[in-house]
Amino acid sequence: KNEVEQSPQNLTAQEGEFITINCSYSVGISALHWLQQHPGGGIVSLFMLSSGKKKHGRLIATINIQEKHSSLHITASHPRDSAVYICAVPPSHYTGNQFYFGTGTSLTVIP
Amino acid sequence: EAQVTQNPRYLITVTGKKLTVTCSQNMNHEYMSWYRQDPGLGLRQIYYSMNVEVTDKGDVPEGYKVSRKEKRNFPLILESPSPNQTSLYFCASSLRGGAYYEQYFGPGTRLTVT
Repeated sequence: KNEVEQSPQNLTAQEGEFITINCSYSVGISALHWLQQHPGGGIVSLFMLSSGKKKHGRLIATINIQEKHSSLHITASHPRDSAVYICAVPPSHYTGNQFYFGTGTSLTVIP
Repeated sequence: EAQVTQNPRYLITVTGKKLTVTCSQNMNHEYMSWYRQDPGLGLRQIYYSMNVEVTDKGDVPEGYKVSRKEKRNFPLILESPSPNQTSLYFCASSLRGGAYYEQYFGPGTRLTVT
């Protein structure tokens, strides 16, 4: 079974804090996706990465394929960042045609 | 507007009454998928389709059926719903199956089976 683990499960931060969410997985992968689920339930894709680092605004995602670990960082957090963040292992020749997901990190940013 | 639509958004039904949740995308995507999301378990894949007439089971296919007769549509069928199928369901699509293709999600369908 392909395991994708996220930590922490829940996170409360003060506005302006630097936030880190971690994702580790048990199988070889080609890439990893980070998703954001808004409080209303909608899910959007934030990042797809296979090596190094990607940045989009205040969000930064890093990955180390060999160590099977990825992190999502939020700099200068804001209440509108409050959401559930989900890492996902996409289809590859390691995992077949399926997606596997972490259970998500629920982030609350307090003004 | 490029989007994935699902209907209905909310559904309350009774055990054993067949139902269909529709999913449609207007992006000419080959890969489509159904997920259920449950507290503490996260998203789990029910079925996926690599292209028209090609479907395969995900992690939790029991009690569900799908079909892919047209590229844009991928309905989820519950022939005899049971209370353990009460969940939040998402349809998603991507240009192709594979690691480097962004998934686009529908708005979700909240199903309650009593």
